[in-house]
Amino acid sequence: QQQVKQSPQSLIVQKGGIPIINCAYENTAFDYFPWYQQFPGKGPALLIAIRPDVSEKKEGRFTISFNKSAKQFSLHIMDSQPGDSATYFCAASIKTGGSYIPTFGRGTSLIVHP
Amino acid sequence: ETGVTQTPRHLVMGMTNKKSLKCEQHLGHNAMYWYKQSAKKPLELMFVYSLEERVENNSVPSRFSPECPNSSHLFLHLHTLQPEDSALYLCASSHIGTGALHFGDGTRLSIL
Repeated sequence: QQQVKQSPQSLIVQKGGIPIINCAYENTAFDYFPWYQQFPGKGPALLIAIRPDVSEKKEGRFTISFNKSAKQFSLHIMDSQPGDSATYFCAASIKTGGSYIPTFGRGTSLIVHP
Repeated sequence: ETGVTQTPRHLVMGMTNKKSLKCEQHLGHNAMYWYKQSAKKPLELMFVYSLEERVENNSVPSRFSPECPNSSHLFLHLHTLQPEDSALYLCASSHIGTGALHFGDGTRLSIL
């Protein structure tokens, strides 16, 4: 079964720190790698995404680093803020029947202390 | 209304009841998804509809029955559920050919 392995399960940092969340995948057919952010009581929201022909992508304080040969990708949050406290999910997507089907990691619960 | 709306937000039902979850998207998307979210587990894909046709049925028990009458609406019909079916059920939509899913806030389902 296709899997995406995400670590760590939980992460605590001080305000201004740079939390890093890592994901690894097995299937080289995956070709779209999104990250989602979920607050309590809300559905996941797309944060940032990357395709495998790019090694890094930045959007504001969020950066994805992608290592195609190692089949790994990671999310870095620069200058983290208490409002970034949420659960983060990585995903790897493959196109099936015209639609992208993401396989999700287990999630990382991030707490940013003031 | 904008985005993806799910109703009801909370549902408590007995194992012999029949109920339906509703999802509506106002984004002009043409693919819709049902996911199950349980504590300590990855989001589990249940069903995918692309242009109103089911393209994925991820070995979901027959007590869950999806329906997609048009590209804006998605239902999940429930009957004779089990306690282990208690979870958050999330609906999502996307444009075919893009990987960006837009999720609703889910229905919290509790089976007594």
